[in-house]
Amino acid sequence: SQQGEEDPQALSIQEGENATMNCSYKTSINNLQWYRQNSGRGLVHLILIRSNEREKHSGRLRVTLDTSKKSSSLLITASRAADTASYFCATDRDGNYQLIWGAGTKLIIKP
Amino acid sequence: NAGVMQNPRHLVRRRGQEARLRCSPMKGHSHVYWYRQLPEEGLKFMVYLQKENIIDESGMPKERFSAEFPKEGPSILRIQQVVRGDSAAYFCASSPRKTNPTEAFFGQGTRLTVV
Repeated sequence: SQQGEEDPQALSIQEGENATMNCSYKTSINNLQWYRQNSGRGLVHLILIRSNEREKHSGRLRVTLDTSKKSSSLLITASRAADTASYFCATDRDGNYQLIWGAGTKLIIKP
Repeated sequence: NAGVMQNPRHLVRRRGQEARLRCSPMKGHSHVYWYRQLPEEGLKFMVYLQKENIIDESGMPKERFSAEFPKEGPSILRIQQVVRGDSAAYFCASSPRKTNPTEAFFGQGTRLTVV
């Protein structure tokens, strides 16, 4: 069954604005990761947050994790045209090597 | 240290032909995972292999699909008698050990188009 569900499915904002994407999951997790995928390209690992962490920063990225609500958010501040891509969350459970992926949020940054 | 290498990057096959996708893991990695991404969807686990062993193929279709990871050489995902529904991006990831998939590194993927 699908573990991660991102919303919104698509998001279009002006350059310079902040973009927030959400991910919800069903079972308990060990870690949650966010990846970026440019159209028709490979996957770029953005950030990993462990189940005992609540917030993590990396440059213009801020990830939060709420295990009580089984949800995570990815915030991209001061968006740029180059941030246009699909963003996926992926979770793993303790002792299970599979990564479970959501369907992604398609982000479009308008110049 | 080169990353996970997949080839070809793009593959076009006619219906009924065979597709062979290759994945060379990172140096020192003996665990390989294959994922499939259908258009506009997230990745779905297919199979997990160690050298010469299939550990978990629960995500792989029962027919026409097979995978191997020989002692020497790359891991191969083989799709026989391809159909249009096999058109997808196939990603390979490798890790140095079984546990902790956070250590898995992904290749650039092979985009299979069945015409």
